Amino acid sequence: GQQLNQSPQSMFIQEGEDVSMNCTSSSIFNTWLWYKQDPGEGPVLLIALYKAGELTSNGRLTAQFGITRKDSFLNISASIPSDVGIYFCAGFIIQGAQKLVFGQGTRLTINP
Amino acid sequence: IAGITQAPTSQILAAGRRMTLRCTQDMRHNAMYWYRQDLGLGLRLIHYSNTAGTTGKGEVPDGYSVSRANTDDFPLTLASAVPSQTSVYFCASSAQMNTEAFFGQGTRLTVV
Repeated sequence: GQQLNQSPQSMFIQEGEDVSMNCTSSSIFNTWLWYKQDPGEGPVLLIALYKAGELTSNGRLTAQFGITRKDSFLNISASIPSDVGIYFCAGFIIQGAQKLVFGQGTRLTINP
Repeated sequence: IAGITQAPTSQILAAGRRMTLRCTQDMRHNAMYWYRQDLGLGLRLIHYSNTAGTTGKGEVPDGYSVSRANTDDFPLTLASAVPSQTSVYFCASSAQMNTEAFFGQGTRLTVV
């Protein structure tokens, strides 16, 4: 089953509000990735994190690699209508072969 | 730059038929992955390949097979399709283990 627990599953916010979502796992990850998926499209990479504690920004998006290597969060500041979509966390598990696994996704809806 | 190309874009398939979903990348990435995406379940890893000539099983491998004869191609075969294999299938690749993965546009498969 899923090895990444992503929350919340959905969010309904007003335009201009900040957004925060996170992923946790019982497994240790050595890479965390955050993706956005629009309807009918494949996931598009937003931010990649490679070191525990790393904090990385991409425009209004900020993501952090947790110190324990078992969690990560994504923040979106001052949301705009084009931020609507499904956001996924993903990570490469350390033990064994290198598998890239995904969280269940957070569906973001913005009211103008 | 094509990136990752999946074919077909969509397909309706009779149960019991054999089907191969194609995936080609032109980035010379070593690692490739196949996922299926079902509503509410996010992306689940079917099979992966860390390098040409090697493959591994993901979370949901049953009913699917893959091959990796060269770096660029990673076909996914359904030997005898069943309705539960109705899904959207995404192929992805990454330069090497633990680096960001990029996705194709997906194949929407309906098994009837």
